[in-house]
Amino acid sequence: KAGVTQTPRYLIKTRGQQVTLSCSPISGHRSVSWYQQTPGQGLQFLFEYFSETQRNKGNFPGRFSGRQFSNSRSEMNVSTLELGDSALYLCASSGGTASSYEQYFGPGTRLTVT
Amino acid sequence: AQSVAQPEDQVNVAEGNPLTVKCTYSVSGNPYLFWYVQYPNRGLQFLLKYITGDNLVKGSYGFEAEFNKSQTSFHLKKPSALVSDSALYFCAVRDRTNAGKSTFGDGTTLTVKP
Repeated sequence: KAGVTQTPRYLIKTRGQQVTLSCSPISGHRSVSWYQQTPGQGLQFLFEYFSETQRNKGNFPGRFSGRQFSNSRSEMNVSTLELGDSALYLCASSGGTASSYEQYFGPGTRLTVT
Repeated sequence: AQSVAQPEDQVNVAEGNPLTVKCTYSVSGNPYLFWYVQYPNRGLQFLLKYITGDNLVKGSYGFEAEFNKSQTSFHLKKPSALVSDSALYFCAVRDRTNAGKSTFGDGTTLTVKP
């Protein structure tokens, strides 16, 4: 099976702009979660989608949003970028049920805000 | 609120010696517990999980972990460390009553010296 793919891999944006990141989960996986990874804060949970519905949300401002499509692909959007949004954004997919909660991570999108 | 603590930022062991990476957790109910590994310049990979049943779970690359409910711990172990085990290790917890949100520890850097 193909793994989790994320596009783009690298992104440079200017403060105030917006950005959309994309994630394609492993075939058959219905759950997609997004995380922000920074050296100082570790892995922070953004949100999780399951069957096109947001099932859970972390403690991030409303500038961070996401959605999931019927084919389980997911997008994450960050509006009005701030310098502090510079991070590695990881997408993870899983079966989303009790027997399959382990997550499989993509390589990430490295976002740099200048 | 759920949380995970990895009390050691760094663990150093000699090749061939046993290794332990510590993890304690806090959740309101019974947990799902996971270990992930992040090799340099590579994505996060799932190592093993505890869902129910036997407290000792075995995972990839010869790693195992022991679930201890009374001590709320889930320490990662390996009988004989390899230099190639050097990586960043993350413990994660998922509350059975809060499907969707996984909380990760801050990570422990394991260095195995020849």
